[in-house]
This record gives sequence, structure tokens and C-alpha cells, in this order.
Amino acid sequence: RKEVEQDPGPFNVPEGATVAFNCTYSNSASQSFFWYRQDCRKEPKLLMSVYSSGNEDGRFTAQLNRASQYISLLIRDSKLSDSATYLCVVNPITNAGKSTFGDGTTLTVKP
Amino acid sequence: EAGVTQFPSHSVIEKGQTVTLRCDPISGHDNLYWYRRVMGKEIKFLLHFVKESKQDESGMPNNRFLAERTGGTYSTLKVQPAELEDSGVYFCASSPSGSLHNEQFFGPGTRLTVL
Repeated sequence: RKEVEQDPGPFNVPEGATVAFNCTYSNSASQSFFWYRQDCRKEPKLLMSVYSSGNEDGRFTAQLNRASQYISLLIRDSKLSDSATYLCVVNPITNAGKSTFGDGTTLTVKP
Repeated sequence: EAGVTQFPSHSVIEKGQTVTLRCDPISGHDNLYWYRRVMGKEIKFLLHFVKESKQDESGMPNNRFLAERTGGTYSTLKVQPAELEDSGVYFCASSPSGSLHNEQFFGPGTRLTVL
């Protein structure tokens, strides 16, 4: 079993749709959680950190459920520019250390 | 503020040759990481420097890979001799010390092709 597992996708949605991505992690000691976005042939870019209380940044909402070892990302009112691969990333310790990546979920937003 | 930079952006070499990749982290970032994505797989950790010291090199695939960070600034990753399975995209990332959640900032990557 992979340490970080994501929805396999791909997701193809029309503009304006709401889409949700799910991610589970196996290491219960994990401390930090992130969603990164990666455009084709580019580097991963931090989209948002995920906090225990849940957090929102504009059209994006991230949730963390430590008991279920589950992370989610909700995108509302999808834009064409949201098309990318979304990577779920988990760190075992808070203030340093390696990141463990999921395979990524590809989103295509169509007009 | 300049981001993480990597050189070269692409490298095509033949099996058995040597290649050296370079990463310049964001100025002042003590933590420097190397990751690799081979085709069809997820991004995987290779190693972690804190300043000039190797903090964790558990992801290095074998002794053909040598990473250095002399002086605690830029880092190099040398592959010698290169094998076909080393092809992939090598990412470098950096983060500052004392960051509560250790958000890492990635460079554009070096795409390595071994023929």
C-alpha cells in the first residue's frame, strides 16, 4: 500500500462546477499536510497547507481528518485555469524533513 | 525574491556517462531537498540537507548517486555512471529553518534522459 493515496482521476468538469479530491495517508504520525498544484512539465507549486481546523482560500477549501487519516480539497466555481494535476503531500514531522507525495489527480476544466 | 533554480533544465546522456545537476535554493533556506519523478510514478524523496550536513539520505537509490552541499549554499547531485532507469525529472526544493509546517518551494526541475 502506498503511503499517500489519491483519487486516480482524471476529473473532467465544466467551468463553474464544484470538484472534490480525496487523499488518505498511512503514517498516523504525520504532522504536516499540503496540496500542491503541478502544471504540465512544470514544478509543483504550493496551493495550500491543510490545518486541523480546515482552511479556506478563496474558491479552495481543504479539510483534514486525523482520525480517518484523510485529506480533501474542494474547488468551487472551477475556472479553465484550474486545469492541472493536484498533489497531496504529507510530512512526517512538522518543522523539517522529507515530503511524501501522492500520485496526483489530474483535473481538466472545460468551457 | 528569487526562487529555487536548477541547472541544466534538460540533459541527455548515454548510459555509462556522468551527469551533475545543480540546485540553488532560495537565499537563506537552510533545508535543501532532492526529489525525483520517474515516468509513471509519484515524486519520491532522495535526500535532505540541513545547511551542509546530510540529514536524511534514505531515498538515495544506490551508490551511483552522490549529493553535496559544500558551504551550505548550492547543492550538486552527481550520477556516475548513469543507467537507463535514472531517467526522470529531478526536483530540488528548499525551506527555511523554523518554519512551522515546513512548506517546501520547488525548482523547475532537471529532465534527465539516459539513452
